Amino acid sequence: KAGVTQTPRYLIKTRGQQVTLSCSPISGHRSVSWYQQTPGQGLQFLFEYFSETQRNKGNFPGRFSGRQFSNSRSEMNVSTLELGDSALYLCASSLPGLSLNTGELFFGEGSRLTVL
Amino acid sequence: GENVEQHPSTLSVQEGDSAVIKCTYSDSASNYFPWYKQELGKRPQLIIDIRSNVGEKKDQRIAVTLNKTAKHFSLHITETQPEDSAVYFCATKYYGGSQGNLIFGKGTKLSVKP
Repeated sequence: KAGVTQTPRYLIKTRGQQVTLSCSPISGHRSVSWYQQTPGQGLQFLFEYFSETQRNKGNFPGRFSGRQFSNSRSEMNVSTLELGDSALYLCASSLPGLSLNTGELFFGEGSRLTVL
Repeated sequence: GENVEQHPSTLSVQEGDSAVIKCTYSDSASNYFPWYKQELGKRPQLIIDIRSNVGEKKDQRIAVTLNKTAKHFSLHITETQPEDSAVYFCATKYYGGSQGNLIFGKGTKLSVKP
């Protein structure tokens, strides 16, 4: 089974621009979560999508948005980029969990964004 | 919301020694506690997890313990090997949203010296 695929792997943008990152989950996984990873801050939760609906959202400004398509693929968008947005953006997919289901996250390799 | 604190941020041990990483959480409703390992340049991967109805779980050289009363859980690695060198993240499943999402600690960089 193919793993979680993220594109692009690397990108460089300048302040004020916007960026769109893409994530294809493992086949059959319907939940997609996005995390921002920066040195010293660990993995910070951005949002989670399930069946094209945002179920949870972390504490990030409205410049960060996302969506999920009917085939479970997901995109996240960051508008008006700031220097502090430079990070590794990780996407993770999981099977939807019942109350007793742990819902292990399977991560992609990430999209490394550099904002100049 | 949920707050997960992880200590230490860096840990260096000699090969063969044990390593312990501790995490505390704030929300008593959290009921699932996984640990992820991220090797340099690679994606995080689940190595062990524990549910709130269990106090301890072992898998070969790694174990996790949970103290719900004190709201802390720990990762124990025995007989460390150079390939254990990585960043380890603890997490809790926080149910602030409808279905819950994983909140991660800031990570512990473990270095195992041969």
